[in-house]
Amino acid sequence: AQKVTQAQTEISVVEKEDVTLDCVYETRDTTYYLFWYKQPPSGELVFLIRRNSFDEQNEISGRYSWNFQKSTSSFNFTITASQVVDSAVYFCALSEAKNTDKLIFGTGTRLQVFP
Amino acid sequence: DAGVIQSPRHEVTEMGQEVTLRCKPISGHDYLFWYRQTMMRGLELLIYFNNNVPIDDSGMPEDRFSAKMPNASFSTLKIQPSEPRDSAVYFCASTGGYTEAFFGQGTRLTVV
Repeated sequence: AQKVTQAQTEISVVEKEDVTLDCVYETRDTTYYLFWYKQPPSGELVFLIRRNSFDEQNEISGRYSWNFQKSTSSFNFTITASQVVDSAVYFCALSEAKNTDKLIFGTGTRLQVFP
Repeated sequence: DAGVIQSPRHEVTEMGQEVTLRCKPISGHDYLFWYRQTMMRGLELLIYFNNNVPIDDSGMPEDRFSAKMPNASFSTLKIQPSEPRDSAVYFCASTGGYTEAFFGQGTRLTVV
């Protein structure tokens, strides 16, 4: 069965620090997709990234970067030089090839960035 | 496109009353999902549709919950009768398949 684990419930950092949010997944499929979503205090869910299981290249988008390692079933998310506006709950999610549109979410990590 | 539109944004109702949540997916998207978010259980998939047909409703908690999608541009999630433990934020999401899901802003339901 598929499962997503975000072991960090809450992380607090001071502005300009780098922070890494961990995500570990379980699936029996060889083809799957991994996602990160951001939920700011306003409540909406904002898509950040989608990655398929055949693409292990790390991705960088501005201050955001993602490290996908199949060997450890991890898809970690790093924010460089964090800002107060990064404060939010971040969710990692998984979907499998046979059901590509059905997202299974982790429990989320609440990130608080203090000035 | 205006994105996924949900209404109402907030709903307060008394226990035992019927509650109907509404969702308009992004035009052209053929998958629609209903999720529920609570502190205790996180984000749970309740049901999803493909081309207006329910595909998987295994996440619907009880018979008190029902969902319909009469056409490609509208879906409802109904709770009858509502109970305090149904209090949560309900999200609707849509996708065109093989893409990321786009979420609405959610409906915060409080049952007193």
